[in-house]
This record gives sequence, structure tokens and C-alpha cells, in this order.
Amino acid sequence: GDSVTQMEGPVTLSEEAFLTINCTYTATGYPSLFWYVQYPGEGLQLLLKATKADDKGSNKGFEATYRKETTSFHLEKGSVQVSDSAVYFCALALRGGSNYKLTFGKGTLLTVNP
Amino acid sequence: DGGITQSPKYLFRKEGQNVTLSCEQNLNHDAMYWYRQDPGQGLRLIYYSQIVNDFQKGDIAEGYSVSREKKESFPLTVTSAQKNPTAFYLCASSHQYEQYFGPGTRLTVT
Repeated sequence: GDSVTQMEGPVTLSEEAFLTINCTYTATGYPSLFWYVQYPGEGLQLLLKATKADDKGSNKGFEATYRKETTSFHLEKGSVQVSDSAVYFCALALRGGSNYKLTFGKGTLLTVNP
Repeated sequence: DGGITQSPKYLFRKEGQNVTLSCEQNLNHDAMYWYRQDPGQGLRLIYYSQIVNDFQKGDIAEGYSVSREKKESFPLTVTSAQKNPTAFYLCASSHQYEQYFGPGTRLTVT
């Protein structure tokens, strides 16, 4: 079945460090790919997305490129801030009927220290 | 403001009682979803609905029930048959592939 594997956390970085969170997927079909962020005690917010191969999604300094050849969608940020501390989820969507279902990775907890 | 509301934010129940979690959206989305989140396990799909008066089981539907009588509302009932109901529950709605989430309800059953 369809699945998403992301690097296990927790990840702890100092402010202004470079961030990479790895995400790979398996899917029967051609998925759309997403990164969601969850701040403590809150729901998930869409961070960025890509719908076809070689697309780069970007938002708030975060980037991820849809790599079909390696089935990957790694999240990167050049300089993290304390406010980036959250849980990050990689997800894929395949169309089922007239709407889409999301398959999530298990999440990666990021802590950024001042 | 358009969005998804879930109430209450915290809910406490005794074992053996049914409890209903509310989810309302004013985004005019056709599809709505319920997820359960447990530490270290990501999100798991409980039920989803693509249209009013229709819904489908997700990956972990046992012990849960839903209704979809209005486009805006998709309440989830956690029944006494659910063996381990304590969790964080998230509701979402979607337009095509992009899902929008509510703030969640943390349910504790003792």
C-alpha cells in the first residue's frame, strides 16, 4: 500500500543552523506531496506542497523538491529559528473517487534552542 | 473568518460512556475527515465523508461512528466499544487534495 517514511526524531538544533528532514514515499500512482507543521497543542497547518515531479514547494523559508527518481520530498531550511520548533509531517495524496485521502508519515519533532 | 472549529478543546469521560466530538466548517468543502493522533504514531484516519449523507470507514473505524446530515458538520461519536479512546482527535476538510485542519480535541477517558 501507499506509505510515507520520514526520519525519526527528535531533532535538536541551535538557532540559525541548517535543517533537513528526510521524507521518502511509496505510492501506486502519481501522488501530490505535502509538508504539514503542528505547533504544540494545535492542529496541522499546511506548510508547502508539490503536485508534480521537479516541482519545488516553498513557504516561510522552508523548501522541498518533488524527486520522482528517488521518491523523495526532503524538507530544508537554511537558518532555523526558535519559533520553528514543532512537529513536521510529510504526507502524500492520491485521488480516491472524487476527493483525496492523505497518507501521513509519523512526524518529526524539531526543537530549536536559542 | 473561514475555518474549521472543534469543540471542546479538552474532554473528560468515564469509561463506558459514549462521547460526541463536534466538527464544523464554513469553507464550503464537500469532503470532511476524522483522524486520531497518538504519540509517535502520526495520524490515522477514522472516517471520511465526500458528500452529505455518505461516509466511509478509514483505517481504524472500529468503536467509532459518524453522521453527515449537513455539509458544514461532521460529528464523531466515540463509543464504549473503543478499547483505547484516550487520544487527540483532529477534524479536517478538503478541497481536492489540500486538507485544512481544526485545532483538535483532546479526549481523556478514565
